[in-house]
Order: sequence, then structure tokens, then C-alpha cells
Amino acid sequence: SAVISQKPSRDICQRGTSLTIQCQVDSQVTMMFWYRQQPGQSLTLIATANQGSEATYESGFVIDKFPISRPNLTFSTLTVSNMSPEDSSIYLCSVEERRGPFDNEQFFGPGTRLTVL
Amino acid sequence: DQQVKQNSPSLSVQEGRISILNCDYTNSMFDYFLWYKKYPAEGPTFLISISSIKDKNEDGRFTVFLNKSAKHLSLHIVPSQPGDSAVYFCAVSGTYKYIFGTGTRLKVLA
Repeated sequence: SAVISQKPSRDICQRGTSLTIQCQVDSQVTMMFWYRQQPGQSLTLIATANQGSEATYESGFVIDKFPISRPNLTFSTLTVSNMSPEDSSIYLCSVEERRGPFDNEQFFGPGTRLTVL
Repeated sequence: DQQVKQNSPSLSVQEGRISILNCDYTNSMFDYFLWYKKYPAEGPTFLISISSIKDKNEDGRFTVFLNKSAKHLSLHIVPSQPGDSAVYFCAVSGTYKYIFGTGTRLKVLA
């Protein structure tokens, strides 16, 4: 299974600033995903990042707020821009390992806990 | 509108007994279902999955049941162990995207 690391593991940021979260995978993967888990909430998909193309954003999420880079098959970044306290959340990247039509799973990184003051 | 619901935010079970976690979904187009376990300060880890062509999948102490007509998914853990104490998320998939439930916090009492 893929091993995923994220940096930073946590951060406390001031309102109006931006934070870039890095996600590194130990193998080449086609699809990488960025999720958010707000306090007491489920994991919500922000966007899907494929190497060589623009990220695909879910409803409620926009590129200006959450720009994503995917420079190669093992790395991605998510930037949380112009932060407000409502952005306080755990941000997780994940990758999919697909072995067959009904044999796939997503592996998650450890998450980045962001607190915005 | 929540497509995946876990109506029990928490559950306490005595060690050695069965833990049953439930999940309901709304869209019959979902055809792949998963359970993830999450410990504090860690990312979710895959536990077990089931496709829509089955109604049961078993892996050791973990069994997932799928009732397509009721759009209901459940996870049985037997016997429950203190190390099973975690938050459990169900997830559904119809394409490459996973949609997660809100989670159930399981506490297994020694």
C-alpha cells in the first residue's frame, strides 16, 4: 500500500494569510485527492488532482481559494488562501490504488491540522 | 443534502461483545462501499469493502453487510477489542469519488 506523508502536520495561522500543504507519496499515482475534515464533520472532498491537468474541484470549492499543484506523479500541494477561522480543519491528501473494478481503496496521509486565529 | 449518513455519533461496547456500526445512503447508483477507521492525529485507514454484487464480506473479526434494497450498510466487529476504539467512517463510491459518512466513535470498554 502507498505510504503518504504530509507537511506540516499542524499549523496555527493568522487570518488573511495563506498556507501551503505538501503531500508526498512513495510511489507514482495517477489520482490524488484533497479532503477536508472540519470539527465533528465528515471527510469532504475538495478536489481531485491529476498530473498534467487542472485539478477538478467539488461543489463549494474554488481554485482561487484552494489552488492545487501536481507537478509530478508523487507530489501535490494544496494552498489554503486568505484564511479565515472557518478554514480551521484537518486537511488530508489521499491516493487511490485501483486493482480492479470493485477492488480499489484510497490511502490517506496523516493529515494537516490547521487552526486559523 | 447528506448522501451518506451514520446516525449514531457514538457507540460503547464491552470488550468481547459485538460492535455493530450502521450506515445509510440515498443513491442507488453507488456500487462500492467501504469502511475506514480513524485514530486521533492519524489519517483514516482502510478496513474492509464490499461491492454491490455481494451482500456480505468477511475479513477476520470484521464483517460488512450490504442491504441494497434498504440502502443500508453495516459493519460488525466480533469480538470487540479495546484497540478497536476509534472513529469509523463508511464511504460509498459510484465513480472514482468517495463520499464519506459523518463517522461513529466506537469505544470498547475493557
